[in-house]
Amino acid sequence: GAVVSQHPSRVICKSGTSVKIECRSLDFQATTMFWYRQFPKQSLMLMATSNEGSKATYEQGVEKDKFLINHASLTLSTLTVTSAHPEDSSFYICSAGRLAGVQEQYFGPGTRLTVT
Amino acid sequence: RKEVEQDPGPFNVPEGATVAFNCTYSNSASQSFFWYRQDCRKEPKLLMSVYSSGNEDGRFTAQLNRASQYISLLIRDSKLSDSATYLCAVKHPNRDDKIIFGKGTRLHILP
Repeated sequence: GAVVSQHPSRVICKSGTSVKIECRSLDFQATTMFWYRQFPKQSLMLMATSNEGSKATYEQGVEKDKFLINHASLTLSTLTVTSAHPEDSSFYICSAGRLAGVQEQYFGPGTRLTVT
Repeated sequence: RKEVEQDPGPFNVPEGATVAFNCTYSNSASQSFFWYRQDCRKEPKLLMSVYSSGNEDGRFTAQLNRASQYISLLIRDSKLSDSATYLCAVKHPNRDDKIIFGKGTRLHILP
């Protein structure tokens, strides 16, 4: 199956700092990647669609200036949480699908962010 | 109406029993459907895609009912290792391959 990696797997940062999370597709190219957030015992919430070579598409209620997404290549998307606050503490997961034809999305292992 | 709805559970089922999950979706134009499994504090993993004719993979059977807009997942001869949260997912038509997830149904297999 497809492999998607994320880095870091866990990060603790102080309030007000910025944190960058990387999502890589390891054995395929992905023009589109997705970023999700999941709070404890809650469902996966789609934050944004990351498009290679163009601006990300954000879901309603997600601040694009706070959650910066860059998809500079077909195998890498980054999510930067700017000026993090304790309420941003969550499990951030990316997903990617292969180029045209295959329907399934494969998830990275997730990044657990704790803002103190 | 939510785009994808599932019974949140939890389902507490004795080992060896058969478990059935249902999921409804609101957009009749949806074409692709999936079941994912998520263990505690882990990422979701694709369990199986759901095809129009229904499909089976070992103890797992998925079915699609387009007329009623629901998909189902059946687990036979359940095992302790089946304990997890099962997420229904529907690919939204015409929205950049976006997949919408249900909230998931928690399953506890009891020894």
